[in-house]
Amino acid sequence: AQSVSQHNHHVILSEAASLELGCNYSYGGTVNLFWYVQYPGQHLQLLLKYFSGDPLVKGIKGFEAEFIKSKFSFNLRKPSVQWSDTAEYFCAVNLPMNYGGSQGNLIFGKGTKLSVKP
Amino acid sequence: DAGITQSPRHKVTETGTPVTLRCHQTENHRYMYWYRQDPGHGLRLIHYSYGVKDTDKGEVSDGYSVSRSKTEDFLLTLESATSSQTSVYFCATSTGALQFFGPGTRLTVL
Repeated sequence: AQSVSQHNHHVILSEAASLELGCNYSYGGTVNLFWYVQYPGQHLQLLLKYFSGDPLVKGIKGFEAEFIKSKFSFNLRKPSVQWSDTAEYFCAVNLPMNYGGSQGNLIFGKGTKLSVKP
Repeated sequence: DAGITQSPRHKVTETGTPVTLRCHQTENHRYMYWYRQDPGHGLRLIHYSYGVKDTDKGEVSDGYSVSRSKTEDFLLTLESATSSQTSVYFCATSTGALQFFGPGTRLTVL
């Protein structure tokens, strides 16, 4: 079965520090990749997505992620974090329907909590 | 964000009682999903629906049933709630490969 691994359970940074959150997935074929963010007490919001094309994708709020197919990775980065980035971040994968996936069914990692100290 | 509402937003119930959570969408999305979120587990799919009266099981479907009689509504029922079903439940809808999430329902089973 496909799985998604997020390497860090909890990351603590000071404001202006750089961020990189790791995500690896287990499926060897074509995948769609996502990062979602959940601010305290709120629902999940899409941060960015990768379907195809340029492996470096830019999302909202200055976040970006790089898809490295050879490493089965989709790491999230931000050059300079802010206190308002304190949230939980989830990496997710789904398989395109013509590759055996069910429409939209997402497989989530367990999440990484980011705490940014002001 | 897609127009997704969930009700109730909070519920406390006792072991053995039936509970129904409702998800309502205004986007006319064909696909709808129920997830549960637990610390250290991320989000796990309970059931999903690919159309009116068309549903299928997800990863953690035991103890849950769903129904979808209208495009806009997707109900999740716990026939006899247990303490292990204490969780935050999120509904989602999708268009293409993108999923949009509702605000969640926090359920506590005592």
